[in-house]
Amino acid sequence: QTVVTQEPSFSVSPGGTVTLTCGLRSGSVSRSHYPSWHQQTPGQAPRTLIYSTKTRSSGVPDRFSGSILGNKAALTITGAQPDDESDYYCVLYLGSGIWVFGGGTKLTVL
Amino acid sequence: EVQLLESGGGLVQPGGSLRLSCAASGFTFNTYAMAWVRQAPGKGLEWVSGISGSGDRTYYVDSVKGRFTISTDNSKNTVYLQMNNLRAEDTAVYYCAKHSPGYSGLDHWGQGTLVTVSS
Repeated sequence: QTVVTQEPSFSVSPGGTVTLTCGLRSGSVSRSHYPSWHQQTPGQAPRTLIYSTKTRSSGVPDRFSGSILGNKAALTITGAQPDDESDYYCVLYLGSGIWVFGGGTKLTVL
Repeated sequence: EVQLLESGGGLVQPGGSLRLSCAASGFTFNTYAMAWVRQAPGKGLEWVSGISGSGDRTYYVDSVKGRFTISTDNSKNTVYLQMNNLRAEDTAVYYCAKHSPGYSGLDHWGQGTLVTVSS
């Protein structure tokens, strides 16, 4: 049973905008869950894009942005580029020192 | 520049033990929490364990409680993961990661070390 939910896959056209979401099986995501987003290409280590809801990690371009939309955390990519084709993982803090990752979203840029 | 370098992975038989190390540099080690995250072959990321910057608080995912122990050596700027009674389902790439200020996320990752549990 997946506690943290993400879309399994998403597609965006080059230059387009896409919003990936991160939810809870029961309840709403808030800033107190410190949602963060990580990008991973096959065979590579993850790279942090966003932490604490909307803080961009060092060196991450500003076309990546984080927010809370409704009852979910969201990662928005504007002006999608072919290099953005990756797996994207969100992770939430669920209290008592415990973090849980979502299952990841495979983003296709075509 | 923050750098995290894992070592200690390898092939181990079920029931065996292994200790992973992560040498950190580029930041004041004892002021940031650290974590281990793993990824089984073809699967997603799974947070496994975390430790406070002071080393006095540790946290574990249920599936490794009682078998894995996280610790730090501030004199060596190194975080460890002692893994005992290993199972086939522990087979994964294990990543060391640094928490962002205030335990508000993960902001840097190592390159990972592969642990294979098989007879």
